[in-house]
Amino acid sequence: GENVEQHPSTLSVQEGDSAVIKCTYSDSASNYFPWYKQELGKRPQLIIDIRSNVGEKKDQRIAVTLNKTAKHFSLHITETQPEDSAVYFCAANERNTGNQFYFGTGTSLTVIP
Amino acid sequence: EAGVAQSPRYKIIEKRQSVAFWCNPISGHATLYWYQQILGQGPKLLIQFQNNGVVDDSQLPKDRFSAERLKGVDSTLKIQPAKLEDSAVYLCASSLAVVGTEAFFGQGTRLTVV
Repeated sequence: GENVEQHPSTLSVQEGDSAVIKCTYSDSASNYFPWYKQELGKRPQLIIDIRSNVGEKKDQRIAVTLNKTAKHFSLHITETQPEDSAVYFCAANERNTGNQFYFGTGTSLTVIP
Repeated sequence: EAGVAQSPRYKIIEKRQSVAFWCNPISGHATLYWYQQILGQGPKLLIQFQNNGVVDDSQLPKDRFSAERLKGVDSTLKIQPAKLEDSAVYLCASSLAVVGTEAFFGQGTRLTVV
């Protein structure tokens, strides 16, 4: 099955700086890559996603880039704010088993005011 | 729209006891997932249903875990008997039965086995 690796596991940035989280995947057939944000004690919530026919997608301060050849994708958060502090998970789908997702191990982001 | 509902939110049991979790997916979502999330790790898929059929249960420890989705709507996940290492958050999620669509998560059930 799909294998998703995520780095770094922890990340601290000053408020206003940018944060970058990187993921790699193994299955070249994967075509959907969502990013979830999970605040302490809460459910994971989708913040942005990208499909394999697109190289980059932006939504205000959040952007995701995808390199299909290298099989890696990244989350970029600009002008970070304290409320961005959370655990972020990347995921990749496995098409052979329907809409199935494999998750990375998570990145704990701390934005220091 | 209503989200994915799960109950209970918290459960504490002794090892070797049994426990069951319930999930009600978003209306119209044919695909339902149960994930196990151990503290500090990403969600790990236990089982995936499409309607009332199992798509993938390769990572479900079938000697102690079971799940069902009767009538293709609600689902229950059972652990019998529980072990200490089963302590985790059990997340239910649902999605449309279309590849490349978002999975919506429930609040999860935090299980502590003592």
